[in-house]
Parts: sequence; C-alpha cells; structure tokens
Amino acid sequence: DTEVTQTPKHLVMGMTNKKSLKCEQHMGHRAMYWYKQKAKKPPELMFVYSYEKLSINESVPSRFSPECPNSSLLNLHLHALQPEDSALYLCASSQHPGYEQYFGPGTRLTVT
Amino acid sequence: GEDVEQSLFLSVREGDSSVINCTYTDSSSTYLYWYKQEPGAGLQLLTYIFSNMDMKQDQRLTVLLNKKDKHLSLRIADTQTGDSAIYFCAETLHGSSNTGKLIFGQGTTLQVKP
Repeated sequence: DTEVTQTPKHLVMGMTNKKSLKCEQHMGHRAMYWYKQKAKKPPELMFVYSYEKLSINESVPSRFSPECPNSSLLNLHLHALQPEDSALYLCASSQHPGYEQYFGPGTRLTVT
Repeated sequence: GEDVEQSLFLSVREGDSSVINCTYTDSSSTYLYWYKQEPGAGLQLLTYIFSNMDMKQDQRLTVLLNKKDKHLSLRIADTQTGDSAIYFCAETLHGSSNTGKLIFGQGTTLQVKP
C-alpha cells in the first residue's frame, strides 16, 4: 500500500481566515513533504520533514506554517493568505529522505 | 546547477507507442523518476531508475537512460486513452548530499487520440 491521504479535498478561505491542511500516511515513511502546484506547472517544494524534524524550508512566507506532530501526520497551517496563494497543495512521503516519493491527491485551495 | 527539461506536448493515436523525452544537467549519481498527473489529481509514481542503470522495463513502460548525453526517455507501448495526462520527469541526488528535493521538468502533456 502506497497511500497518502489529504484533507480537505477543496478549501475556500478568505484572506483573514486561519485554516489547516492535513496529510497522513501509514507506510512507516520517515520523510514527508509539502509542495505547491500552480496550473500547468510542476510542483514546487515548500517544506521537508525528515524524522519529524524540519530539514528544508524553501524560503516559504511565514503565513504558511508546517507541523509534524508524529511520523504519520503532517499539517500545514494557513493564516492571512493572499489570492496568489490559490493553488493545489500536495503532500508526499518517502521511506527516507531521497527515496522515491509518493504523493497524495492534493488539496485545491482558493483564497478569496 | 540542476535543471531538467522536457518537451511540452506530444500527440499520438491510440495503439501507437509514445516516447516522452527528458534531459538533465546534474552529473552526480542520481535517481530519475517519471510521474503521471491526470487532471485534478496528485502525482502518480510510474517508475524510476538509478543513474548506473541503462534500462528498466515494467509492463507497457520502458525507461531508457543515456548517461553520456544525460537523456532519459519513457516509452509507453500500446498507448490508451487513459494514458492521456501530464508526465513529469524528475531527479534527486543520491548520497550524503541527498536532501530529498525533487527537481522536476516542466511536464509533457500527452494527448491520445482514439
């Protein structure tokens, strides 16, 4: 089983809202990733967690705040987003950093 | 620096073979991946190859790697309409410099005509 789940599937939020995206995997993977993808473009890496520690932050604005409560769960907390943050947010996991990554179905975020 | 390039569009007839090409610049030992993305969906890992291999075959998929030219290709035999999607080539470094960061190409849109 190589399933990564993400909730919610769709999210519409205003610029003053606070919301969270959730990602879960039960494959025992020790690396988890957040990506942002705009239409017709490849995914852009945002954050990497290795063994529950933040190992990469690709200069992401502080209105995006990642959290890894345990080895199976990854959250992305959103606050004071801008309309240009509207995108598909993808979570991925791999057995260890640098191993093949398995992606979830994504959360389609619209900021109004 | 690291860079991965792909052609943007390929159109084939159902039943024909499709060949999607990719070039990369990093000469370090690396893993190279092919992902498929259907509209509105996440990325599906199709196959991957380590840079010390020349070829990998998995059912209808054949990956060829030319290390000298840093050229990777994905051949889909007997292409079906369900193969219509965007195909991303990606690489990641192997070894101590491996941060887990995937470097993606721009994606090739495969259109399969009935």
